Amino acid sequence: EDQVTQSPEALRLQEGESSSLNCSYTVSGLRGLFWYRQDPGKGPEFLFTLYSAGEEKEKERLKATLTKKESFLHITAPKPEDSATYLCAANAGGTSYGKLTFGQGTILTVHP
Amino acid sequence: EPEVTQTPSHQVTQMGQEVILRCVPISNHLYFYWYRQILGQKVEFLVSFYNNEISEKSEIFDDQFSVERPDGSNFTLKIRSTKLEDSAMYFCASSPDRVYEKLFFGSGTQLSVL
Repeated sequence: EDQVTQSPEALRLQEGESSSLNCSYTVSGLRGLFWYRQDPGKGPEFLFTLYSAGEEKEKERLKATLTKKESFLHITAPKPEDSATYLCAANAGGTSYGKLTFGQGTILTVHP
Repeated sequence: EPEVTQTPSHQVTQMGQEVILRCVPISNHLYFYWYRQILGQKVEFLVSFYNNEISEKSEIFDDQFSVERPDGSNFTLKIRSTKLEDSAMYFCASSPDRVYEKLFFGSGTQLSVL
């Protein structure tokens, strides 16, 4: 069974304090690893897709990396507006392309 | 940026009643999905839909659930006889092609079954 596990469950940072979120996955034939941001009462908002080990993508203060077993979302010098739940999801080979298996998310709080 | 639109934002219904959740995917998209998120739990895949038929469905998507694209713009999820455990946030999503890049999600419909 495909599984995605995120850690920590919650992370509290001071503004400017860099850190990383972890996503471990057990997926048959990974086709894509996705990172989403979710604000309270809203749908997931796309951040990144990673396809192969060693790949990295950046967007503003966020950088996502991928290995054969896990992905990291690095947050550099975060601001209060980065506070949200960050979701990791995987698409496995042999399933329809839109079937994502999600982790439970990391709730990030950035204090001014 | 184009959006996936879902209506209503909140729906309250009595157990055993039928509900229809509505979605307007992004206009040039071809693939459509429903996901749900029970409070405090993971986002879960329900069904994918392409070319007017279901591509894949999860174990959750039993005979009580159905999907339809009644016209060129709407995509609906029907729950025939709601149960208490159907209470969740339901998200519609769409993608222009196979999910090589990203899935666009709507803001969701919060369904409460009493």
